[in-house]
Amino acid sequence: ETGVTQTPRHLVMGMTNKKSLKCEQHLGHNAMYWYKQSAKKPLELMFVYNFKEQTENNSVPSRFSPECPNSSHLFLHLHTLQPEDSALYLCASRKTGEAGGYTFGSGTRLTVV
Amino acid sequence: SQQGEEDPQALSIQEGENATMNCSYKTSINNLQWYRQNSGRGLVHLILIRSNEREKHSGRLRVTLDTSKKSSSLLITASRAADTASYFCATDDTGGFKTIFGAGTRLFVKA
Repeated sequence: ETGVTQTPRHLVMGMTNKKSLKCEQHLGHNAMYWYKQSAKKPLELMFVYNFKEQTENNSVPSRFSPECPNSSHLFLHLHTLQPEDSALYLCASRKTGEAGGYTFGSGTRLTVV
Repeated sequence: SQQGEEDPQALSIQEGENATMNCSYKTSINNLQWYRQNSGRGLVHLILIRSNEREKHSGRLRVTLDTSKKSSSLLITASRAADTASYFCATDDTGGFKTIFGAGTRLFVKA
């Protein structure tokens, strides 16, 4: 385990469903990120939170709604998704102000049917 | 186009051989990072090299950075089957808050 825990590991949902992805870290990191990884494409940054405040929304459709109640927890609420939203969703964290690498979770493999 | 671009896209070698992957980027950077990803898992941070460094080592890994050519290379020496994975470079901009990942190099090490 990396110290960043994502649940669930796998999720299959219909286009009319509402579900949430969860990410948790207790590494003392103050920045948390959602990335989308589709096959044969670079990682796409979706959202950035610094000290619980959203500092970046990378033109993500409103059917993805992030929530960061505190510096240790991050959620991604999903509703009325499309099949093209099927991907691996990765959560990452790091301590801003330090030039360091990210710690990633193992991801949630999402399939929209 | 994307900031970090790895080359080659895929690499297949025999166990014991060295593997070299390259990364090119377009803008000024604060640092460059290399990550490894096993199939369907998250990325694992391998090594970070700052813009004022030219070479860095970590175990069997050697990373070089040429800021004049805006390129970096990752060398894995004496490769093992367990090194089979995708390898990504990522660059932090000079502001230090935006990181851009490349599409990765898929490395396959045959036993």
